[in-house]
Amino acid sequence: SQQGEEDPQALSIQEGENATMNCSYKTSINNLQWYRQNSGRGLVHLILIRSNEREKHSGRLRVTLDTSKKSSSLLITASRAADTASYFCATDHFNKFYFGSGTKLNVKP
Amino acid sequence: DTGVSQDPRHKITKRGQNVTFRCDPISEHNRLYWYRQTLGQGPEFLTYFQNEAQLEKSRLLSDRFSAERPKGSFSTLEIQRTEQGDSAMYLCASSPTGADEQFFGPGTRLTVL
Repeated sequence: SQQGEEDPQALSIQEGENATMNCSYKTSINNLQWYRQNSGRGLVHLILIRSNEREKHSGRLRVTLDTSKKSSSLLITASRAADTASYFCATDHFNKFYFGSGTKLNVKP
Repeated sequence: DTGVSQDPRHKITKRGQNVTFRCDPISEHNRLYWYRQTLGQGPEFLTYFQNEAQLEKSRLLSDRFSAERPKGSFSTLEIQRTEQGDSAMYLCASSPTGADEQFFGPGTRLTVL
């Protein structure tokens, strides 16, 4: 499979703590994207990092990409209860996008 | 609202029936994607269009599945002779080009009895 794989599958933290989730993939990519999906709702794009970038920030989000290890990480700082959702990485492999099975994040108030 | 819209939002059908879903992408987005998502899993790529041309189809897309995007605007996904294994959420997404973020619609939840 060319899908990304997220780790951990589930993560439970207290509000205010940081959350880190990881993504590994198997093939060369053009870019890697992270999406959030709230229970029963659509996917929302969070951040995109291109294959020639190593780190990117957007608000409380920080994403890193290591193409030599075929891995990426998403850090959410100062988490809020509203961050409770499933998080997916999606790899762009020649215009086909492959999603992992996601990390389910629970932020307890 | 100028986001991606999908119709219907829910569809219940009996095994063996044909169903058709519609996706209206964001205006002027050239790329349109179809995905299938089952419970607890991430979206699985099915197919994508660049304008009206269908450029890629996943092996998941059996000959019972067909997608069209006439005139490069809205798209339809048809499933013929539905099976219980087709029960899933069918997601549509669009993007300006292949190198950009995708904007997802709310999905069509299909239940095959």
